[in-house]
Amino acid sequence: DVKVTQSSRYLVKRTGEKVFLECVQDMDHENMFWYRQDPGLGLRLIYFSYDVKMKEKGDIPEGYSVSREKKERFSLILESASTNQTSMYLCASSPGGGNSPLHFGNGTRLTVT
Amino acid sequence: EDKVVQSPLSLVVHEGDTVTLNCSYEVTNFRSLLWYKQEKKAPTFLFMLTSSGIEKKSGRLSSILDKKELSSILNITATQTGDSAIYLCAALPHGGSQGNLIFGKGTKLSVKP
Repeated sequence: DVKVTQSSRYLVKRTGEKVFLECVQDMDHENMFWYRQDPGLGLRLIYFSYDVKMKEKGDIPEGYSVSREKKERFSLILESASTNQTSMYLCASSPGGGNSPLHFGNGTRLTVT
Repeated sequence: EDKVVQSPLSLVVHEGDTVTLNCSYEVTNFRSLLWYKQEKKAPTFLFMLTSSGIEKKSGRLSSILDKKELSSILNITATQTGDSAIYLCAALPHGGSQGNLIFGKGTKLSVKP
């Protein structure tokens, strides 16, 4: 079974802090994704990556950056956390090509105070 | 603008009931529609539908795509409390990848004993 592991289940940070959310997948998938999920807004794509060192902006990249130095790891960085970044963050991966479903991690619930 | 709309947004039923969840889409160059189930953690993949009129089944769950009506339904028969979850549908355009997936806001299903 594909395993997508997010490093933290719950995280509480202060406004202005730099925050790293880590995601690791064990199936050699080319594609990795970061979403945030908010009530009433559904899943929104922040960034995705098709290969090591490659990244593409999603629908809501403002205030975020990403890093993919190794194929299995995709990090989401909040350079200066703000309260409106309080959310559930979901990482996902999929094989290369366009016709495979996403495999999601269990999510990180981030609270910024 | 491409969009996916799910209805109802929430639904409460009793065990043993049959439910139908709806997903409609307006997507340029539509290719496939995907359904996911999200309990407390990661969304898990249920179905991918590409051809119109062909039902996909998994136990008590089934789904079908109607390209004429630009919609899909997810049926759950003989519901159980374990079916309580948010059901997400997402549309995938041609020529795109999962980075182009367009998610609906989800239907929250609650099954009462």
